[in-house]
Formats: sequence, C-alpha cells, structure tokens
Amino acid sequence: DAGVIQSPRHEVTEMGQEVTLRCKPISGHDYLFWYRQTMMRGLELLIYFNNNVPIDDSGMPEDRFSAKMPNASFSTLKIQPSEPRDSAVYFCASSPRDRGNSPLHFGNGTRLTVT
Amino acid sequence: QKEVEQDPGPLSVPEGAIVSLNCTYSNSAFQYFMWYRQYSRKGPELLMYTYSSGNKEDGRFTAQVDKSSKYISLFIRDSQPSDSATYLCASSTGGFKTIFGAGTRLFVKA
Repeated sequence: DAGVIQSPRHEVTEMGQEVTLRCKPISGHDYLFWYRQTMMRGLELLIYFNNNVPIDDSGMPEDRFSAKMPNASFSTLKIQPSEPRDSAVYFCASSPRDRGNSPLHFGNGTRLTVT
Repeated sequence: QKEVEQDPGPLSVPEGAIVSLNCTYSNSAFQYFMWYRQYSRKGPELLMYTYSSGNKEDGRFTAQVDKSSKYISLFIRDSQPSDSATYLCASSTGGFKTIFGAGTRLFVKA
C-alpha cells in the first residue's frame, strides 16, 4: 500500500498563474477529501467526493478554486488565478466506504507559495 | 467561535514526563472524537479515536472524552523524543465532515 500520493510536493508560482495540485488516493477508498492547512486557520476541509462525485464543496473559498475527480484513482485541485493568500499546505486524504468515522488517510501535502 | 478549539502551544516537556493535551468543542451533535499526529513535513495520521464519552487506552496513549463538559483529552505517558509532533484533535457527527482543532506542537526533550 503506497498510501495517498500527492504531487508536486512544493509549488512556487507568481500571483495570477494557474496552479494544479494532484492526488492519487488509496486503491479501494471511495471517499476523497481536499484540505488546506495554514497557521492562522488550521486544517480546513475544502471539498470531498464519494465515488468520484463531489458531495460537499461548501469549504471551497472562492470560484477561483475548482476540484475534479475524473476517475477513482485521480483527483485535481485547481486554483485560477492564484493569489498570495492561497499560500498554504494542501492535503489530499482518502477513506474507505464503511462508515463516517473511518480514519482519514492523508498524503504528505503540497506546499504552495504564491508570490 | 471555532467548533473545535485547541491551544497551539508549543508545549515543551522533558523525556519521561506525562503529557496532557486538551481540546474543547461546541457542537453537541459530535459523536466521534479523534486524535491525529502530524510530524514535520508530513500529513496527519490517526492516532486514536473514541465514540461518545469515555476513555480509550492504547499503549502509552489514553484518549478521554467528557461530553457533559465538551472536553477532549489525550494523555501520553513516559513521553519520548519521538513523540515530538503536532497533535490535532478532531470531531465529527458520524458523517464525513471532520472538524479539526488548530493542533498543539509538542516537543519532548531528551
């Protein structure tokens, strides 16, 4: 089990540029989550998917953020255009289907810096 | 007010000390309570979880939930330098929306 895989590990970009973060969940996990972590706000849920379908995107901060899950083994989080306040660590997590208290399995995150 | 409040620390203790980490929450509907551990430059990993009120013990770790006071605790006995990490408490109603505390940074000095 390779765990949740995120890429890139680090991303530095200029304000206004498009940023795409990628995630490969653990095989067999039906739920996928995108979180953002900052010193000020801690770990915040942005959006989650069940069987590739977005279920709750109420945490997505603005229309500049979008997320897709074209298949069970891949998801993207896109920011367009990026702004300095988007600088944070973005985590992807997956979870098996069984129940709502199933543990979240996190990747090691993408550290995004927008200058 | 955040739904889960946690003192960010940092907390520094000598090796072998008993560590007490605490959180409070405001949502009475929370039924599941978790502790995640996060090492530097890594993602959080589940350490322990409890359902409703009560205690749960796993080796040197004890998780405690008091729903009457909306208080969540994690105790670490015989703390080791390898326990140095950020500890995040988390709660959920049983659905998939898990709410995290800010995390407490713990340093255990050898």
